[in-house]
Amino acid sequence: GESVGLHLPTLSVQEGDNSIINCAYSNSASDYFIWYKQESGKGPQFIIDIRSNMDKRQGQRVTVLLNKTVKHLSLQIAATQPGDSAVYFCAENGPKTSYDKVIFGPGTSLSVIP
Amino acid sequence: DARVTQTPRHKVTEMGQEVTMRCQPILGHNTVFWYRQTMMQGLELLAYFRNRAPLDDSGMPKDRFSAEMPDATLATLKIQPSEPRDSAVYFCASGLGPPNTQYFGPGTRLTVL
Repeated sequence: GESVGLHLPTLSVQEGDNSIINCAYSNSASDYFIWYKQESGKGPQFIIDIRSNMDKRQGQRVTVLLNKTVKHLSLQIAATQPGDSAVYFCAENGPKTSYDKVIFGPGTSLSVIP
Repeated sequence: DARVTQTPRHKVTEMGQEVTMRCQPILGHNTVFWYRQTMMQGLELLAYFRNRAPLDDSGMPKDRFSAEMPDATLATLKIQPSEPRDSAVYFCASGLGPPNTQYFGPGTRLTVL
């Protein structure tokens, strides 16, 4: 069908609250997943990754949860700060036969209200 | 702090002109990717290289786009002739893989009039 442009899901949160950004991935055989953050005018920046043999991984203020049963990935940001305002992309690495093919989701725009 | 660098950061050109974008991957990374980002299509993979060899360029319009890695420190993406629909931000990313955590450059914003 004809594309009419991406309509990014938008999440607005109050500064200090926790944020949860969700992502549905497409390939049940994907075994490596990455979250990226893209600030205005910049390239995507790696935040955290997780392999399919895990269901949770924690970083500094961020946690990624993986639910393979429903092909769902989430990014939790604790104590959200104004600097967290950005577009967040989940990405999946294809099955081992095409490990280089990273498929990016459409992104979610996070807006932090001071 | 190792980073991917891209030049130019901005390019405005007229339809039909040749455009060359350059990327310096992070030293030691063996994989280089070229992406295009637009509001309509999001992030699209155009091509990628491993150890300077092209592995996949199926995302690239073959008749006008070409990507090369003359050496390990330089990747180029060329458009000839350019068209207004090529207007986008072009990102280079490098990684050490597979699998690839990709480190992106700042992008080249191309406007074709």
